[in-house]
Amino acid sequence: GENVEQHPSTLSVQEGDSAVIKCTYSDSASNYFPWYKQELGKGPQLIIDIRSNVGEKKDQRIAVTLNKTAKHFSLHITETQPEDSAVYFCAASFRPGGGADGLTFGKGTHLIIQP
Amino acid sequence: EAQVTQNPRYLITVTGKKLTVTCSQNMNHEYMSWYRQDPGLGLRQIYYSMNVEVTDKGDVPEGYKVSRKEKRNFPLILESPSPNQTSLYFCASTRDRTNSPLHFGNGTRLTVT
Repeated sequence: GENVEQHPSTLSVQEGDSAVIKCTYSDSASNYFPWYKQELGKGPQLIIDIRSNVGEKKDQRIAVTLNKTAKHFSLHITETQPEDSAVYFCAASFRPGGGADGLTFGKGTHLIIQP
Repeated sequence: EAQVTQNPRYLITVTGKKLTVTCSQNMNHEYMSWYRQDPGLGLRQIYYSMNVEVTDKGDVPEGYKVSRKEKRNFPLILESPSPNQTSLYFCASTRDRTNSPLHFGNGTRLTVT
């Protein structure tokens, strides 16, 4: 099955600086890579995703990049704000069409934004 | 409001006492799933269901049962809970098994003593 490694486990940045979280995956058949944000006391929520035919995707302050050759993908958050403090999970799916039943999650990154 | 509702939010029980955690979604989603979240281990899938009366094992199904008699409900059953099942549990649903976003409930924190 798929194995997803996520680093770092904890990341502390100053408000206004950028944050980068990195994930690697093992199954070259993986084709769908979502990122979820989990705020305290809540369930994870999708913030951005990318498919294997795209190298980069951006949505306001967040962006995701994908390197299929190296089998890694990254989440970039610019101009960080206090509300960005949360646990972030990357995931990869090897099912055709990126099926949720084939979704494997990384272990999570606790992002702390220092005022 | 579109949502996934889990109950209860918190549950403390003793070893061996059967319990059920309920999950209901109001979005007419075909696909539903249960995950457990443990420190340092992330989210691991327990069971999933593609549709009514169709369920399958995820990565960590031992000690759990599920049923999908109706489209909106997907209860998680622990027939004989043990302390290693102490965890934070999440139910999730999505429109179908293609890459549409998972919608998660707010979690159930279970403690088994």
